Amino acid sequence: EDQVTQSPEALRLQEGESSSLNCSYTVSGLRGLFWYRQDPGKGPEFLFTLYSAGEEKEKERLKATLTKKESFLHITAPKPEDSATYLCAVQAAGNTGKLIFGQGTTLQVKP
Amino acid sequence: DADVTQTPRNRITKTGKRIMLECSQTKGHDRMYWYRQDPGLGLRLIYYSFDVKDINKGEISDGYSVSRQAQAKFSLSLESAIPNQTALYFCATEGQGPDTQYFGPGTRLTVL
Repeated sequence: EDQVTQSPEALRLQEGESSSLNCSYTVSGLRGLFWYRQDPGKGPEFLFTLYSAGEEKEKERLKATLTKKESFLHITAPKPEDSATYLCAVQAAGNTGKLIFGQGTTLQVKP
Repeated sequence: DADVTQTPRNRITKTGKRIMLECSQTKGHDRMYWYRQDPGLGLRLIYYSFDVKDINKGEISDGYSVSRQAQAKFSLSLESAIPNQTALYFCATEGQGPDTQYFGPGTRLTVL
């Protein structure tokens, strides 16, 4: 069964304290792995898509990496405005378009 | 203007009532999706549509129905709402692909 597990569930950091969020997945052929950011009461906002092991993408203080079993979202020198829930989702091979989401990691960055 | 809009943004209703949630998009995408989000359960797929004539059930379609009125419009209906359908509902669109899905702002539905 296709499955996505994110850890930790919650993470509290001081401003400037770098860390990583983990997304472990099992899927019958990976078509793509997606990272989204979700603010309270809002819809998920797209951050990155990764397609193959070894791929990396960066955006400001965020860097996403991918292996055959997991993805990491590295946050370098976070700021309070990075506080949000970060969602990971995978799309299996085939053409269904279906995304399987993890439960998310809620990040709080304190000034 | 937002590319994906949902109406209403908030709705409180009673058990047994029929409810329709609407989604419109200006991205020109063919694919549209409905998800629900519950605390601790993440986002789960209800229905999806690849074009006006193509409707497919997701993992939790029981108790829901959909209508794809046009390329830009995809509605979700609860024929007879029940309290465990209280949740956040999101519409998403996707271009030809599969590719990235873009989400609307959500509808918070409460069934009393």
